[in-house]
Amino acid sequence: KNEVEQSPQNLTAQEGEFITINCSYSVGISALHWLQQHPGGGIVSLFMLSSGKKKHGRLIATINIQEKHSSLHITASHPRDSAVYICAVKISNFGNEKLTFGTGTRLTIIP
Amino acid sequence: NAGVTQTPKFQVLKTGQSMTLQCAQDMNHEYMSWYRQDPGMGLRLIHYSVGAGITDQGEVPNGYNVSRSTTEDFPLRLLSAAPSQTSVYFCASSYSIIHSYEQYFGPGTRLTVT
Repeated sequence: KNEVEQSPQNLTAQEGEFITINCSYSVGISALHWLQQHPGGGIVSLFMLSSGKKKHGRLIATINIQEKHSSLHITASHPRDSAVYICAVKISNFGNEKLTFGTGTRLTIIP
Repeated sequence: NAGVTQTPKFQVLKTGQSMTLQCAQDMNHEYMSWYRQDPGMGLRLIHYSVGAGITDQGEVPNGYNVSRSTTEDFPLRLLSAAPSQTSVYFCASSYSIIHSYEQYFGPGTRLTVT
């Protein structure tokens, strides 16, 4: 079983819909990252969080440490939001200096 | 700032050839890493470095070497290319990994080994 699981794997929605992408992990972590991979392949960091909630524009990321779960929400979705969204966690082991990645959620927003 | 740069963008190798993928960052980041991305799998860590002169293995290090002689540069060497190394390679950097800072990724190198 992967340490990081994302759902759904694929999501297609109409423009304007509220989008939720989920990330669950099975180990103790010190931080969780949400990344966006554009259709051209480039990867950009959206959020890094270790507790609570962060908001940037139409994107909101939340994390529940006790439930080992994070969600990425997109309000008023737009075709330019079409991308692969990747969750990554930093495991809480001193000396284990790496991120573990989920396989991504492919989001397609239809005009 | 140019951020994280990678060269080349595309490369085709024959089995057994060697090559070096270049990665550089101009943000004075301590932490640099190399990942490979394969269909249906998450990014997998090949090697990483927490500072100049310090490197360590990730999940899938076999067939790859790295060095970190300067803060800016972190080249990845394929010693003897194999078809299993066909993949997209990403270099990334961050200010620190211990305290979890934002990750910056290069544009990727698409490698095909025939």
